[in-house]
Amino acid sequence: EVQVVESGGGLVQPGRSLRLSCTTSGFTFGDYAMSWVRQAPGKGLEWVGFIRSKIYGGAIEYAASVKGRFTISRDDSKSIAYLQMDSLKTEDTAVYYCARDKLGGNPDGYYYYYMDVWGKGTTVTVSS
Amino acid sequence: QLVLTQSPSASASLGASVKLTCTLSSGHSSYAIAWHQQQPEKGPRYLMILSTDGSHTKGDGIPDRFSGSSSGAERYLSISSLQSEDEADYYCQTWGTGIQVFGGGTKLTVL
Repeated sequence: EVQVVESGGGLVQPGRSLRLSCTTSGFTFGDYAMSWVRQAPGKGLEWVGFIRSKIYGGAIEYAASVKGRFTISRDDSKSIAYLQMDSLKTEDTAVYYCARDKLGGNPDGYYYYYMDVWGKGTTVTVSS
Repeated sequence: QLVLTQSPSASASLGASVKLTCTLSSGHSSYAIAWHQQQPEKGPRYLMILSTDGSHTKGDGIPDRFSGSSSGAERYLSISSLQSEDEADYYCQTWGTGIQVFGGGTKLTVL
């Protein structure tokens, strides 16, 4: 069974750091890109960032709201993706989801990623 | 700028059908989008990937009651024979160069 499980959430003070883990099973982790998505209380889904598979260079992209504060990484030997969150702000309070990204495309060269497996999320609360 | 626009809410009766819309911003009308469902107090669930020609591939275990279609910059999610468990938030999502984008979501109420 394909599974994605987030962990590492909790209560943290503004300005401090937290690292989330995304542990996966049931598929060849190294073949896939992985995304982090968050959802603030009562709000919609917000993409946080994304790491490509090493097959496609392992490049990482971030949303403007977290760029420079958050760092995504991956350990293909352990099938885990990480989200390192530094300089946390109260507005970072959210449920954080990890998702597997599948690559799709057309013969004309158009390609795209979409999230096809989601975890249940881990809650991060930033408060003094 | 790549933007996905969804109506904030929709409603339909138990057993009826509903069609939700996701509109791609100007210049992006050929993009594929994915539909995701989020039931109350749960994580999102992938429903399908939907291309500009209306072809779609659903996730494992997604009932036949769910289907997708496209027209120009609009992407649709149709649900027939509505059941109580279909009451949820529905999000569309797409990929631009280096970014992922979500629509604001549509809250579907089953009456």
